[in-house]
Amino acid sequence: GEDVEQSLFLSVREGDSSVINCTYTDSSSTYLYWYKQEPGAGLQLLTYIFSNMDMKQDQRLTVLLNKKDKHLSLRIADTQTGDSAIYFCAEIFGSGNTGKLIFGQGTTLQVKP
Amino acid sequence: DVKVTQSSRYLVKRTGEKVFLECVQDMDHENMFWYRQDPGLGLRLIYFSYDVKMKEKGDIPEGYSVSREKKERFSLILESASTNQTSMYLCASSFGAQGFNQPQHFGDGTRLSIL
Repeated sequence: GEDVEQSLFLSVREGDSSVINCTYTDSSSTYLYWYKQEPGAGLQLLTYIFSNMDMKQDQRLTVLLNKKDKHLSLRIADTQTGDSAIYFCAEIFGSGNTGKLIFGQGTTLQVKP
Repeated sequence: DVKVTQSSRYLVKRTGEKVFLECVQDMDHENMFWYRQDPGLGLRLIYFSYDVKMKEKGDIPEGYSVSREKKERFSLILESASTNQTSMYLCASSFGAQGFNQPQHFGDGTRLSIL
């Protein structure tokens, strides 16, 4: 069945790097996503990676994909207090018009000054 | 930028009322989705639509219905609201030419309380 798992909580100091990890089950996923949710708000698409890529970098964000282990990670360099939020990883399970987005439980990132 | 707008940020209704949650997107996306988000349960898909007048059940459709009369608007209806439908409701849309592989863009959510 479909499943996406994340650790629930991560605490870092301002200026450190944060690494949020995710494992998924559907090896045929074509896209994997990272979303950010700030308190009281909806989900903001941060970045996504196509399954034929190993890495994608976008300013302070680096996404690493290990297809063999079905492991996805999001690294935030120079973490700031404004990065405090819940981060969701998501995969497309299935394909075409039967595909659906499966979310992990979310990792709460706490950034201490 | 994609804009997905949900009509209310906060809504308080009474048990038994018929409740309408509205969502509008401005990017001509084919696909639209309704989720609910609850602590410890993450996001769960209620209904989705891949075209006007088309709808498909998600994982938890019981107690809900939807309407897609225009491409840009997707409404979620609670036929007879119950307290266990108190939740955060999130609407999303995506470009649909290649099925559901495109990123979904979310609104800010509606926090619904049923008393």
